[in-house]
Amino acid sequence: RKEVEQDPGPFNVPEGATVAFNCTYSNSASQSFFWYRQDCRKEPKLLMSVYSSGNEDGRFTAQLNRASQYISLLIRDSKLSDSATYLCVVNAKNDMRFGAGTRLTVKP
Amino acid sequence: NAGVMQNPRHLVRRRGQEARLRCSPMKGHSHVYWYRQLPEEGLKFMVYLQKENIIDESGMPKERFSAEFPKEGPSILRIQQVVRGDSAAYFCASPGEYYGYTFGSGTRLTVV
Repeated sequence: RKEVEQDPGPFNVPEGATVAFNCTYSNSASQSFFWYRQDCRKEPKLLMSVYSSGNEDGRFTAQLNRASQYISLLIRDSKLSDSATYLCVVNAKNDMRFGAGTRLTVKP
Repeated sequence: NAGVMQNPRHLVRRRGQEARLRCSPMKGHSHVYWYRQLPEEGLKFMVYLQKENIIDESGMPKERFSAEFPKEGPSILRIQQVVRGDSAAYFCASPGEYYGYTFGSGTRLTVV
């Protein structure tokens, strides 16, 4: 089993749609969780941290379920500029492991 | 990009040559992580280094690849006798205390 598994995608959605990405992790000792965004041929950049109580940043909502070892990212009112690959990242004792990423394309 | 410097940005090597990739972490940080991203694939952990120490090299191929982070100077990822399958983007990252990693812009290695 992979350490961090994500929806394979790709997701192709129209502008304004709501889209959700899921991620599961295998290491129960994982301590912190993140979503990164990677644009084509660029480096990954931190999108948001994921907190146990769930957290929201504008159109983005992240959820964590430690019991099920599951993380999600919800994007509301998709914009063309949201097109990117979204990486789920799990950290255990300063050892960050990345999911393979889910590609999102938002179309006009 | 918040101070993680990688060079070169692009590197072209012929099969059999050596490739040296450099990474300087954020100022005041002494840890670096190296990741490889093959075309159309996700990031794969390679190695985690502190100054003068390799902490975890479980992701490094057993042959031809080595990494170091000397007391002075940048971290170096070295690939000997490169093959076409080594063509990839190589990213290094510097851990932040609360906000995950900050990545360098990467080195895109092309083996011809």
